[in-house]
Amino acid sequence: EAGVTQFPSHSVIEKGQTVTLRCDPISGHDNLYWYRRVMGKEIKFLLHFVKESKQDESGMPNNRFLAERTGGTYSTLKVQPAELEDSGVYFCASKPLTGQDLDTQYFGPGTRLTVL
Amino acid sequence: AQSVTQPDIHITVSEGASLELRCNYSYGATPYLFWYVQSPGQGLQLLLKYFSGDTLVQGIKGFEAEFKRSQSSFNLRKPSVHWSDAAEYFCAVGARNNNDMRFGAGTRLTVKP
Repeated sequence: EAGVTQFPSHSVIEKGQTVTLRCDPISGHDNLYWYRRVMGKEIKFLLHFVKESKQDESGMPNNRFLAERTGGTYSTLKVQPAELEDSGVYFCASKPLTGQDLDTQYFGPGTRLTVL
Repeated sequence: AQSVTQPDIHITVSEGASLELRCNYSYGATPYLFWYVQSPGQGLQLLLKYFSGDTLVQGIKGFEAEFKRSQSSFNLRKPSVHWSDAAEYFCAVGARNNNDMRFGAGTRLTVKP
């Protein structure tokens, strides 16, 4: 079974540009989460989807961040316009909505975003 | 509010030596506790988790962790470290069916030959 995948693995952009990160969850996982880790700090929750609906977006830093999950499969996280403080590693995680193993989130490898 | 503290930013141990990584949490209800590891270029991999029952839990790769409610701790241990254990380790806390996990800042482990 394929794990959570994220694209790209690295992205370097200039301040003011737009970047879109993509996450493909484990097949069949209706819960999808985005997290961010700023260098040396803790991994922080950004938002949570259940299928295509945003369940909790309390961790989104500001309105420059837009997450979507059209069709309830993969998700994108767009940063527009990017600022220096947006640099960090963005993780995606998923878990099933029903069945077994409801308590464990499975993480992708992350996208390292550098804003110059 | 829930939070996790990993007091050690960086730890260096010799290969074959024992290891203990500290984790302290603050949580208002019964916590669900996790340890994840991130090796270079890899995603966060779940090492072990504690929900209830026996307070000493076994995980993958020879790791174990002990939940101590009185100390609000969930320290990770391994009796003999291998060079491949060099990675960054994250402790996390959440509720059952949690949708908002809180992570510590991580502990980077270096293994000396």
